[in-house]
Amino acid sequence: QKEVEQDPGPLSVPEGAIVSLNCTYSNSAFQYFMWYRQYSRKGPELLMYTYSSGNKEDGRFTAQVDKSSKYISLFIRDSQPSDSATYLCAMIRGSTLGRLYFGRGTQLTVWP
Amino acid sequence: DAGVTQSPTHLIKTRGQQVTLRCSPKSGHDTVSWYQQALGQGPQFIFQYYEEEERQRGNFPDRFSGHQFPNYSSELNVNALLLGDSALYLCASSLGGRSTEAFFGQGTRLTVV
Repeated sequence: QKEVEQDPGPLSVPEGAIVSLNCTYSNSAFQYFMWYRQYSRKGPELLMYTYSSGNKEDGRFTAQVDKSSKYISLFIRDSQPSDSATYLCAMIRGSTLGRLYFGRGTQLTVWP
Repeated sequence: DAGVTQSPTHLIKTRGQQVTLRCSPKSGHDTVSWYQQALGQGPQFIFQYYEEEERQRGNFPDRFSGHQFPNYSSELNVNALLLGDSALYLCASSLGGRSTEAFFGQGTRLTVV
């Protein structure tokens, strides 16, 4: 069993839809949770990170962490075609100095 | 302000050969981490360099080695290439090793034939 599980999709939604992306994890030692966006043939770009449980909002993006369920989510409101990319969740154990553990990514297409 | 730069962007090597990939961190960053991303998979941590030393290492064989120079740039070396080493190799830089603030380069696409 992988430490971080993420449904690879693909996920296809119309422009303006609310998108929900999710990851589960098995190791309760994870403390920091990140979401990255990766366009085709590019490196991952950090969207948001949260520490421990709770919600964090940044514009159209909201990240949620539920440590009791070992479940994290990223919501994208008013999705745009430019949001079409692969979304990767990543986590760190313990301190911020740890290595990143990634999910396999969810491929999202937003069609006009 | 230049971000993380990696070279070359693409590379084709023959099985058994050796390869060196290069990374220049974002200005002001002193830590470099390397990741391997196979097609359709998430990045897998190879190792991290800070103060010219390997500080952390993932589950990769000794064929994978690295180096960090005094200017914080880094090299990833892979010996005795296998077909399974074909992947996108990503470099991430940060300040003081803080992975919550890691910036990634665009990667080097390595194809082993």
